[in-house]
Amino acid sequence: KNQVEQSPQSLIILEGKNCTLQCNYTVSPFSNLRWYKQDTGRGPVSLTIMTFSENTKSNGRYTATLDADTKQSSLHITASQLSDSASYICVVSQYYGNNRLAFGKGNQVVVIP
Amino acid sequence: ETGVTQTPRHLVMGMTNKKSLKCEQHLGHNAMYWYKQSAKKPLELMFVYNFKEQTENNSVPSRFSPECPNSSHLFLHLHTLQPEDSALYLCASSQAAGIQGASGNTIYFGEGSWLTVV
Repeated sequence: KNQVEQSPQSLIILEGKNCTLQCNYTVSPFSNLRWYKQDTGRGPVSLTIMTFSENTKSNGRYTATLDADTKQSSLHITASQLSDSASYICVVSQYYGNNRLAFGKGNQVVVIP
Repeated sequence: ETGVTQTPRHLVMGMTNKKSLKCEQHLGHNAMYWYKQSAKKPLELMFVYNFKEQTENNSVPSRFSPECPNSSHLFLHLHTLQPEDSALYLCASSQAAGIQGASGNTIYFGEGSWLTVV
């Protein structure tokens, strides 16, 4: 079973609307959580990184939240644009050894006009 | 532009061919990585290099052979691949040597090389 589960697997939203992506993880002990954006046919690009003590972090219209107690994170996209169409990957780091990264399968978002 | 350049972007090869993927990072990082990304599966770490020394091989078949001549360049040599090896191969780099997931160690990915084995 994957240590990082993302939902929904895919969603379609209208341009200008908001959406929220979910990430649940079982990685322990926890070090940090990252969200990456991956455009089709491109490499992932870092959006945010949050440590245990951080509850929220924003990057433009992207806002990530973290609840380390329930092991949940969300990525909120505000006023979506066509360029937000991409896969959003949740990555969780384990706090030991070389801080191994556990990757989710991604949330596929399609923004339509 | 992330500072990590991969070539070629697309590669089609037969099962008996020998080809290589190339990666170059312009970020002054000390660690470089190869990842495999297959459809509907999480990214899979293949190899880790720190200061051009291999520090991790994640049980990758020997038909994949990495080479790291220096901290800025990384190759993945491909030989007698199988159709199931078709995937997007991502190169990445980071500042810290081997501490992949440390909070101050952002991983920068290249654009990837799409590999199709026929």
